[in-house]
Amino acid sequence: ETGVTQTPRHLVMGMTNKKSLKCEQHLGHNAMYWYKQSAKKPLELMFVYSLEERVENNSVPSRFSPECPNSSHLFLHLHTLQPEDSALYLCASSQDTRAYNEQFFGPGTRLTVL
Amino acid sequence: DAKTTQPTSMDCAEGRAANLPCNHSTISGNEYVYWYRQIHSQGPQYIIHGLKNNETNEMASLIITEDRKSSTLILPHATLRDTAVYYCIVEGNTGNQFYFGTGTSLTVIP
Repeated sequence: ETGVTQTPRHLVMGMTNKKSLKCEQHLGHNAMYWYKQSAKKPLELMFVYSLEERVENNSVPSRFSPECPNSSHLFLHLHTLQPEDSALYLCASSQDTRAYNEQFFGPGTRLTVL
Repeated sequence: DAKTTQPTSMDCAEGRAANLPCNHSTISGNEYVYWYRQIHSQGPQYIIHGLKNNETNEMASLIITEDRKSSTLILPHATLRDTAVYYCIVEGNTGNQFYFGTGTSLTVIP
């Protein structure tokens, strides 16, 4: 499989559940990203990892917890979410974090919090 | 902060050139202009980027004005599959990350 993959593609969870989103990239990249896209809003950068180290956290609530065990995998652990957290969560990767590097996006996970 | 201004929406007839404008009047010397697009229910896709010179690839052409305060993305022969939201992004090679903005929703009409 090539490119950036995300699982699951769709997720419905209650506010008391704990779930995890998974992202995997097969491109040999060193940087990975989580973005959130709410309805009719711009993409919001959540987290940036470079060589498995978190280099950016854009004031994301602690109910979102990222994990990068290696440069090919990125997780987003979710717990006690709110209905307003319902959104499309996109993972991306790039060669490194320098801006001119093309970011490759996965298809996203459509999350609904009830 | 929004560094770019784009029209909210545009239509283009199938087979014609789609010209998508972007204003970036506060661009600084080391900042690049990037274009991405997002087809409905998919992740964004890189199209092209440039610094000063016009650029062309298999997907599109990027025309940057001499003063670099605006640019135009050109899809030479638009197809129905080019219907998407097109994002113009300005960012330097500083490690700062992209601000995607709200983009231009392009609809290609049969």
